[in-house]
Amino acid sequence: AQKVTQAQTEISVVEKEDVTLDCVYETRDTTYYLFWYKQPPSGELVFLIRRNSFDEQNEISGRYSWNFQKSTSSFNFTITASQVVDSAVYFCALSEVGNEKLTFGTGTRLTIIP
Amino acid sequence: DTEVTQTPKHLVMGMTNKKSLKCEQHMGHRAMYWYKQKAKKPPELMFVYSYEKLSINESVPSRFSPECPNSSLLNLHLHALQPEDSALYLCASSPRALAGSYEQYFGPGTRLTVT
Repeated sequence: AQKVTQAQTEISVVEKEDVTLDCVYETRDTTYYLFWYKQPPSGELVFLIRRNSFDEQNEISGRYSWNFQKSTSSFNFTITASQVVDSAVYFCALSEVGNEKLTFGTGTRLTIIP
Repeated sequence: DTEVTQTPKHLVMGMTNKKSLKCEQHMGHRAMYWYKQKAKKPPELMFVYSYEKLSINESVPSRFSPECPNSSLLNLHLHALQPEDSALYLCASSPRALAGSYEQYFGPGTRLTVT
């Protein structure tokens, strides 16, 4: 069975600080996919990144970066120089190959204080 | 255009009412999904349609009835709901119904209140 754990329920940081959101996953498959989604107060889930299990390269997109480590089954997300617009709930998710379902973590509510 | 639209944005209904939620995408996606999200919880999958056919029903009560009239439209018909069905209902689409291979694009949701 697959499982995603986001141990940080809520995080608050002051604007311009860096913040890392943790994601730990469990799966028996050797091929799987990991995702991060952002859910602002408006409610819509916004896709941020998809990473497959064979690609352990870290990824950077503007102020966002992701650190994928298979050895620790983690896929952490860092926001550099946080901004108020980054305030949202962030979900990490996992899907095994051939599976039609996403397994979501419980989410981390991030509040950026101006 | 990576937009998924949902109507209505808000819906209040009594337990004896019949109503429908609508979802539309024009990205040529062949998989569409309904999720239910309670406050402070992650989305829970309800239904998956692949090529206009129901491929997954996550043991959802029959008072929720999905319909996929064509590849761009997805409806959720509601009848005799309970107050505990109050939630945000999210629609999503993806090119194919392989959750790992393709990201899902979500609509803004319909916030449903059952009185």
